[in-house]
Amino acid sequence: EAGVVQSPRYKIIEKKQPVAFWCNPISGHNTLYWYLQNLGQGPELLIRYENEEAVDDSQLPKDRFSAERLKGVDSTLKIQPAELGDSAVYLCASSLGGANANEQFFGPGTRLTVL
Amino acid sequence: DAKTTQPTSMDCAEGRAANLPCNHSTISGNEYVYWYRQIHSQGPQYIIHGLKNNETNEMASLIITEDRKSSTLILPHATLRDTAVYYCIVKPGGGADGLTFGKGTHLIIQP
Repeated sequence: EAGVVQSPRYKIIEKKQPVAFWCNPISGHNTLYWYLQNLGQGPELLIRYENEEAVDDSQLPKDRFSAERLKGVDSTLKIQPAELGDSAVYLCASSLGGANANEQFFGPGTRLTVL
Repeated sequence: DAKTTQPTSMDCAEGRAANLPCNHSTISGNEYVYWYRQIHSQGPQYIIHGLKNNETNEMASLIITEDRKSSTLILPHATLRDTAVYYCIVKPGGGADGLTFGKGTHLIIQP
Protein backbone atom coordinates (compact mmCIF):
# COMPACT_ATOMS: atom_id res chain seq x y z
CA GLU A 1 0.00 0.00 0.00
CA ALA A 2 1.34 3.39 -1.00
CA GLY A 3 1.92 5.86 1.79
CA VAL A 4 1.29 9.58 1.79
CA VAL A 5 2.93 11.11 -1.26
CA GLN A 6 4.30 14.63 -1.30
CA SER A 7 5.97 16.64 -4.00
CA PRO A 8 8.33 18.22 -4.50
CA ARG A 9 10.70 16.87 -1.87
CA TYR A 10 12.85 19.98 -2.01
CA LYS A 11 12.17 23.50 -3.20
CA ILE A 12 14.42 26.56 -3.27
CA ILE A 13 12.92 29.92 -4.12
CA GLU A 14 13.69 33.58 -3.67
CA LYS A 15 11.68 35.64 -1.22
CA LYS A 16 8.48 37.18 -2.54
CA GLN A 17 8.03 34.31 -5.01
CA PRO A 18 5.00 31.98 -4.82
CA VAL A 19 5.36 28.28 -4.04
CA ALA A 20 2.99 25.33 -3.93
CA PHE A 21 3.20 21.90 -2.30
CA TRP A 22 1.15 18.88 -3.29
CA CYS A 23 -0.05 15.97 -1.17
CA ASN A 24 -1.80 12.73 -2.07
CA PRO A 25 -3.09 10.96 1.06
CA ILE A 26 -3.52 7.25 1.58
CA SER A 27 -6.50 5.95 -0.38
CA GLY A 28 -9.68 6.04 1.67
CA HIS A 29 -8.36 8.47 4.27
CA ASN A 30 -10.96 11.19 4.77
CA THR A 31 -8.86 13.40 7.03
CA LEU A 32 -5.86 15.30 5.72
CA TYR A 33 -3.46 17.50 7.67
CA TRP A 34 -0.77 20.00 6.78
CA TYR A 35 1.95 20.61 9.37
CA LEU A 36 4.93 22.96 9.39
CA GLN A 37 8.18 21.89 11.06
CA ASN A 38 10.92 24.37 11.84
CA LEU A 39 14.46 23.16 12.44
CA GLY A 40 14.83 21.55 15.84
CA GLN A 41 11.12 21.79 16.62
CA GLY A 42 8.19 19.41 16.50
CA PRO A 43 5.61 19.75 13.72
CA GLU A 44 2.86 22.35 14.12
CA LEU A 45 -0.60 21.93 12.65
CA LEU A 46 -1.53 24.40 9.92
CA ILE A 47 -4.84 23.03 8.69
CA ARG A 48 -7.03 19.93 8.89
CA TYR A 49 -9.51 18.76 6.27
CA GLU A 50 -12.44 16.40 6.66
CA ASN A 51 -13.07 15.38 3.06
CA GLU A 52 -13.10 18.69 1.17
CA GLU A 53 -13.99 20.86 4.18
CA ALA A 54 -11.34 22.73 6.16
CA VAL A 55 -12.50 22.08 9.73
CA ASP A 56 -9.51 23.57 11.56
CA ASP A 57 -7.49 26.34 9.93
CA SER A 58 -6.96 28.46 13.02
CA GLN A 59 -3.17 28.21 12.78
CA LEU A 60 -2.93 28.94 9.05
CA PRO A 61 -1.49 32.43 8.36
CA LYS A 62 -4.20 33.42 5.96
CA ASP A 63 -2.52 36.57 4.71
CA ARG A 64 -0.06 34.53 2.66
CA PHE A 65 -0.97 30.87 3.04
CA SER A 66 -3.85 29.08 1.35
CA ALA A 67 -4.85 25.47 0.94
CA GLU A 68 -7.39 23.49 -1.00
CA ARG A 69 -8.70 19.95 -1.24
CA LEU A 70 -11.24 20.37 -3.99
CA LYS A 71 -12.34 16.76 -4.55
CA GLY A 72 -11.65 15.55 -1.03
CA VAL A 73 -8.60 13.56 -2.10
CA ASP A 74 -5.32 15.31 -2.87
CA SER A 75 -4.46 18.72 -1.52
CA THR A 76 -2.33 21.74 -2.34
CA LEU A 77 -0.75 24.19 0.10
CA LYS A 78 0.35 27.52 -1.34
CA ILE A 79 2.43 30.40 -0.03
CA GLN A 80 2.31 33.74 -1.80
CA PRO A 81 4.52 35.63 -1.37
CA ALA A 82 7.13 33.56 0.47
CA GLU A 83 9.22 35.14 3.21
CA LEU A 84 12.61 34.14 4.60
CA GLY A 85 10.93 32.84 7.76
CA ASP A 86 8.88 30.34 5.76
CA SER A 87 11.95 28.15 5.31
CA ALA A 88 10.89 24.88 6.95
CA VAL A 89 9.66 21.38 6.22
CA TYR A 90 6.01 21.13 5.23
CA LEU A 91 4.49 17.79 6.21
CA CYS A 92 1.26 16.26 5.01
CA ALA A 93 -0.52 13.53 6.96
CA SER A 94 -3.73 11.58 6.61
CA SER A 95 -5.96 9.39 8.76
CA LEU A 96 -9.17 7.45 8.45
CA GLY A 97 -10.92 10.05 10.54
CA GLY A 98 -13.65 9.82 13.12
CA ALA A 99 -13.33 7.07 15.70
CA ASN A 100 -10.54 5.42 13.67
CA ALA A 101 -8.28 8.46 13.64
CA ASN A 102 -5.85 7.24 16.28
CA GLU A 103 -3.00 6.88 13.83
CA GLN A 104 -1.88 9.63 11.51
CA PHE A 105 0.30 8.65 8.57
CA PHE A 106 2.86 11.22 7.51
CA GLY A 107 4.51 11.85 4.20
CA PRO A 108 8.25 12.57 3.89
CA GLY A 109 7.69 16.32 3.73
CA THR A 110 8.76 19.12 1.41
CA ARG A 111 11.82 21.05 2.51
CA LEU A 112 11.42 24.70 1.52
CA THR A 113 14.36 27.09 1.43
CA VAL A 114 13.60 30.77 0.86
CA LEU A 115 16.62 32.85 -0.17
CA ASP B 1 -4.22 19.69 24.88
CA ALA B 2 -2.26 18.94 28.03
CA LYS B 3 1.44 19.61 27.81
CA THR B 4 4.11 16.96 28.11
CA THR B 5 7.67 17.09 29.40
CA GLN B 6 10.40 14.87 28.01
CA PRO B 7 14.17 14.80 28.38
CA THR B 8 15.94 16.51 25.51
CA SER B 9 18.17 13.57 24.71
CA MET B 10 19.06 10.04 25.81
CA ASP B 11 21.61 7.41 24.90
CA CYS B 12 21.10 3.66 24.87
CA ALA B 13 23.38 0.78 23.93
CA GLU B 14 22.37 -1.34 20.98
CA GLY B 15 20.53 -4.48 22.08
CA ARG B 16 19.47 -3.01 25.41
CA ALA B 17 16.02 -1.79 26.34
CA ALA B 18 15.43 1.92 25.76
CA ASN B 19 13.13 3.50 28.32
CA LEU B 20 11.80 6.93 27.36
CA PRO B 21 9.95 8.84 30.08
CA CYS B 22 7.21 11.40 29.64
CA ASN B 23 5.51 13.59 32.20
CA HIS B 24 1.92 14.67 31.58
CA SER B 25 0.76 15.75 35.01
CA THR B 26 -2.18 17.83 33.71
CA ILE B 27 -3.68 15.11 31.52
CA SER B 28 -7.48 15.05 31.40
CA GLY B 29 -9.64 12.00 31.93
CA ASN B 30 -10.53 11.65 28.25
CA GLU B 31 -7.01 12.17 26.92
CA TYR B 32 -4.88 9.36 25.60
CA VAL B 33 -1.10 9.17 25.55
CA TYR B 34 0.34 8.82 22.04
CA TRP B 35 3.92 8.18 20.98
CA TYR B 36 5.36 9.03 17.59
CA ARG B 37 8.93 9.01 16.40
CA GLN B 38 10.72 10.84 13.62
CA ILE B 39 13.78 9.41 11.98
CA HIS B 40 16.06 11.97 10.36
CA SER B 41 14.65 13.38 7.08
CA GLN B 42 11.42 11.41 7.39
CA GLY B 43 7.91 12.25 8.56
CA PRO B 44 6.77 11.22 12.04
CA GLN B 45 5.70 7.60 12.52
CA TYR B 46 3.02 6.37 14.92
CA ILE B 47 4.28 3.94 17.56
CA ILE B 48 1.61 3.26 20.14
CA HIS B 49 -1.10 4.85 22.27
CA GLY B 50 -2.98 4.11 25.47
CA LEU B 51 -5.47 5.45 27.97
CA LYS B 52 -4.67 3.88 31.33
CA ASN B 53 -3.75 0.25 30.76
CA ASN B 54 -0.33 -0.82 29.63
CA GLU B 55 -0.13 -1.49 25.92
CA THR B 56 2.21 -3.55 23.76
CA ASN B 57 2.57 -3.93 20.03
CA GLU B 58 5.25 -5.14 17.65
CA MET B 59 7.22 -1.92 18.03
CA ALA B 60 7.11 -1.05 21.70
CA SER B 61 5.44 -1.19 25.09
CA LEU B 62 3.72 1.70 26.83
CA ILE B 63 3.59 1.82 30.61
CA ILE B 64 1.21 4.40 32.11
CA THR B 65 1.31 5.10 35.84
CA GLU B 66 -1.84 4.50 37.83
CA ASP B 67 -2.42 8.22 38.35
CA ARG B 68 -1.78 8.73 34.59
CA LYS B 69 0.55 11.62 35.28
CA SER B 70 3.49 9.99 33.55
CA SER B 71 4.33 7.20 31.14
CA THR B 72 7.29 5.31 29.75
CA LEU B 73 7.82 4.06 26.24
CA ILE B 74 9.93 0.92 26.12
CA LEU B 75 11.81 -0.29 23.06
CA PRO B 76 12.78 -3.79 24.27
CA HIS B 77 15.83 -4.41 22.09
CA ALA B 78 17.04 -1.16 20.60
CA THR B 79 18.80 -1.19 17.24
CA LEU B 80 20.70 1.53 15.43
CA ARG B 81 17.59 2.13 13.30
CA ASP B 82 15.74 3.24 16.44
CA THR B 83 17.83 6.41 16.58
CA ALA B 84 15.21 9.13 16.21
CA VAL B 85 13.31 11.91 17.97
CA TYR B 86 10.50 10.43 20.07
CA TYR B 87 7.42 12.54 20.77
CA CYS B 88 4.97 11.98 23.62
CA ILE B 89 1.59 13.59 22.91
CA VAL B 90 -1.67 13.68 24.82
CA LYS B 91 -5.00 14.23 23.09
CA PRO B 92 -8.57 13.00 23.23
CA GLY B 93 -8.68 9.52 21.76
CA GLY B 94 -10.48 8.49 18.59
CA GLY B 95 -10.86 12.01 17.28
CA ALA B 96 -9.23 13.42 14.19
CA ASP B 97 -7.77 16.50 15.89
CA GLY B 98 -4.32 17.57 14.89
CA LEU B 99 -1.39 16.50 17.02
CA THR B 100 0.42 18.96 19.30
CA PHE B 101 4.10 18.03 19.23
CA GLY B 102 6.67 19.23 21.74
CA LYS B 103 10.39 19.03 21.10
CA GLY B 104 10.58 15.34 21.95
CA THR B 105 13.51 13.21 23.10
CA HIS B 106 16.41 12.61 20.76
CA LEU B 107 17.27 8.96 21.36
CA ILE B 108 20.70 7.92 20.18
CA ILE B 109 21.45 4.20 20.01
CA GLN B 110 25.14 3.56 20.48
CA PRO B 111 26.80 0.56 18.76
